[in-house]
Amino acid sequence: AQSVSQHNHHVILSEAASLELGCNYSYGGTVNLFWYVQYPGQHLQLLLKYFSGDPLVKGIKGFEAEFIKSKFSFNLRKPSVQWSDTAEYFCAVNESSSASKIIFGSGTRLSIRP
Amino acid sequence: EAQVTQNPRYLITVTGKKLTVTCSQNMNHEYMSWYRQDPGLGLRQIYYSMNVEVTDKGDVPEGYKVSRKEKRNFPLILESPSPNQTSLYFCASSRTGSGANVLTFGAGSRLTVL
Repeated sequence: AQSVSQHNHHVILSEAASLELGCNYSYGGTVNLFWYVQYPGQHLQLLLKYFSGDPLVKGIKGFEAEFIKSKFSFNLRKPSVQWSDTAEYFCAVNESSSASKIIFGSGTRLSIRP
Repeated sequence: EAQVTQNPRYLITVTGKKLTVTCSQNMNHEYMSWYRQDPGLGLRQIYYSMNVEVTDKGDVPEGYKVSRKEKRNFPLILESPSPNQTSLYFCASSRTGSGANVLTFGAGSRLTVL
């Protein structure tokens, strides 16, 4: 069965630090990959997505993610975080060859110290 | 405005009293899904639906029912709620097909079962 692993449950950084959140998935076929963000008190919204093509994708607010097929990974990065990036981040995956259910990781809570 | 609407947003109920959380989307999306969010466990899928009259179990379906009689609506039914169903619930929808699975989330429904 498909699964998504986010190994960092809670990350604490200072402003201007660089960020990398890990995401690994288990599925042997072609996949769509997503990062969603949930700001405090708000619902989830899409941060970025990968369907095909350039494995380095850029999203909103300066975030980017790199799809490394050989490692089954889709790590999220940001060179310099801001206090407003404090949120919970979810990686998600689904099989791209057909309509299928979307699986989420357990989430990573990011806390930024001002 | 394209949106997913959930009701109620907040509900306190007692064990065994049947309740329904409604979910409606105005984007003509085929795919709809219910998730519950619990601290440390991330988003877990309860049920999903690929289209009208097509529903399937997610990872944590016990104690829940759904129906998809119309494309826009996907209610979540708790026939006999129990305290372990106290959680934050999200409904989401998306188009289906390759490259189309970006989810739009509702604002969430916080349920407390006493």
